[in-house]
Amino acid sequence: GAVVSQHPSRVICKSGTSVKIECRSLDFQATTMFWYRQFPKQSLMLMATSNEGSKATYEQGVEKDKFLINHASLTLSTLTVTSAHPEDSSFYICSAGGQPYGNSPLHFGNGTRLTVT
Amino acid sequence: SQQGEEDPQALSIQEGENATMNCSYKTSINNLQWYRQNSGRGLVHLILIRSNEREKHSGRLRVTLDTSKKSSSLLITASRAADTASYFCATGPTGSARQLTFGSGTQLTVLP
Repeated sequence: GAVVSQHPSRVICKSGTSVKIECRSLDFQATTMFWYRQFPKQSLMLMATSNEGSKATYEQGVEKDKFLINHASLTLSTLTVTSAHPEDSSFYICSAGGQPYGNSPLHFGNGTRLTVT
Repeated sequence: SQQGEEDPQALSIQEGENATMNCSYKTSINNLQWYRQNSGRGLVHLILIRSNEREKHSGRLRVTLDTSKKSSSLLITASRAADTASYFCATGPTGSARQLTFGSGTQLTVLP
């Protein structure tokens, strides 16, 4: 089945530094990828839609200058948390689908646990 | 904002029993999907039901969809300890967008 690889799985960084998270579709091309954020024992909140070759679409309340998204190829999207602060600590998950539209499930990465100290 | 609400928030049952989780949503949908998440991991797709379908089966899973009530249920039969996880419903909107909106989730614990 389709596989989405997310890296790193866990990262600890100091306040003020930037962290890059990669999301790769391993056996299919993903024109669209989605980035979610999840707080402990809570649901997934969509942060942004990453579109290959164009700007990402951010959800209301998500700072685009804080969470930089780049989707440079059909198999890779990156999320960079800039100038990280402790409140950015969270579980970040990406997802991708092979087809742009239609009734098909999304495939999720295993998530990245970010801890900002 | 959350599209879906799931109940119960937490469910604890004995191995071999059936587990039923419910999901309600607010807007028109193209499909409804159920996902499973083990602690600290990504989501695994379980089953997708289209808006014109009423019931779907996959192994020990049975999903129903009532679009008039904007609700869905997930039934896991003959549960196993390995079924312990969080279960989320997610709605796919009408139109061309593919973003999913997730429900609040049900934490299922199956006791051996």
